[in-house]
Amino acid sequence: SQQGEEDPQALSIQEGENATMNCSYKTSINNLQWYRQNSGRGLVHLILIRSNEREKHSGRLRVTLDTSKKSSSLLITASRAADTASYFCATPMSGSARQLTFGSGTQLTVLP
Amino acid sequence: EAGVAQSPRYKIIEKRQSVAFWCNPISGHATLYWYQQILGQGPKLLIQFQNNGVVDDSQLPKDRFSAERLKGVDSTLKIQPAKLEDSAVYLCASSPPVTNYGYTFGSGTRLTVV
Repeated sequence: SQQGEEDPQALSIQEGENATMNCSYKTSINNLQWYRQNSGRGLVHLILIRSNEREKHSGRLRVTLDTSKKSSSLLITASRAADTASYFCATPMSGSARQLTFGSGTQLTVLP
Repeated sequence: EAGVAQSPRYKIIEKRQSVAFWCNPISGHATLYWYQQILGQGPKLLIQFQNNGVVDDSQLPKDRFSAERLKGVDSTLKIQPAKLEDSAVYLCASSPPVTNYGYTFGSGTRLTVV
């Protein structure tokens, strides 16, 4: 069953603006991951945040995790047209340390 | 390092025909996954292998889908007979046998059943 769900479903911004996507999940997790999928391609792993971490950075990406609210956010700063893609959060399935369940994704469009 | 290889990239078949997809994971990645991604949705797990053994195939429609991973390296996923609702992208992913590690996905096979 699906564990994480992203919000919003679609987001359109101008180049140079920041983009924020949210993910909510249902059960306790030991990590949460974000992936990017360009149209017609496979998913690319962006960042993994452990349950004992509150914030993590990677280049222009900033991920936060609030285990009390069972939510995470992905911030992309100074967005570029090349950031146009679908973004998915993924969490381990109940009872499994490594099987991931994915949400339906946020479709981000960055306009030049 | 080389990525996860999948073939073919695209496949169009008629309903009730059979089809097979191939995946070669990253060298040294003991765990291999097949996911199905229907247009507009997130990937859904079909089956997980650890080396050449099946860890979980509870979400694989076994009346028509089968998968194997001989010698713990390459894997094939087969559909026989295909239905219209099988139209989707079939993604293969691999990961090392440790927790707190991301997956590496292949580019997927886009299947259209007409």
